[in-house]
Amino acid sequence: EIVLTQSPGTLSLSPGERATLSCRASQSVSISYLAWYQQKPGQAPRLLIYGASRRPTGIPDRFSGSGSGTDFTLTISRLEPEDFGVYYCQQFGSSFTFGPGTKVDIK
Amino acid sequence: QVQLVESGGGVVQPGRSLRLSCAASGFTFSTSPMHWVRQAPGKGLEWVALISYDGDNKYYTDSVRGRFSISRDNSKNTVSLQMNSLRPEDAAIYYCATTLRGSYRNPFEFWGQGTRVTVSS
Repeated sequence: EIVLTQSPGTLSLSPGERATLSCRASQSVSISYLAWYQQKPGQAPRLLIYGASRRPTGIPDRFSGSGSGTDFTLTISRLEPEDFGVYYCQQFGSSFTFGPGTKVDIK
Repeated sequence: QVQLVESGGGVVQPGRSLRLSCAASGFTFSTSPMHWVRQAPGKGLEWVALISYDGDNKYYTDSVRGRFSISRDNSKNTVSLQMNSLRPEDAAIYYCATTLRGSYRNPFEFWGQGTRVTVSS
């Protein structure tokens, strides 16, 4: 099973700041099979990034993804108030696993 | 628009059974794989089960294999999760999710709002 590790566990930032979230896999993951989700309290997760760097329709371009192999990054260029929540990475190349999440909260 | 609506959650005693359902609309259900994902209180996301578009292939996470069974009815646009021998650690919000991209090797584009399962005596 591919295990995903996310860091940091919590990121305390102010609106307008840049957020950099890391996801590390225990084995190499094809770039095509890595996704990021956002979840706000009381809501279902929402797909943010797939194929490591592609955004679904409607996702703002301040969200970007990068990486390859075992190391992937989600960057939020300038935090908006609505961006605070928990972010999960997921791999779906070998079964399906999620990382433990990174909470982005207001500093 | 795509809609997934889960139902069937509730409070159940350990060892008992519960059946969850997910009603789908707004897309061609019969060509879409369907997943169940759960989230224990205050915890992260855990993939539970997958059923292929035609119901021929089913996959489970290790902790539920042999106890849970996923099924679908393409004539009614519904997917179900039969949960037997429930354990306290099965308590969670259960989400159904799908991709419209055909193959199940795709991200979970659409999610329902979830149904809560509590396992307690």
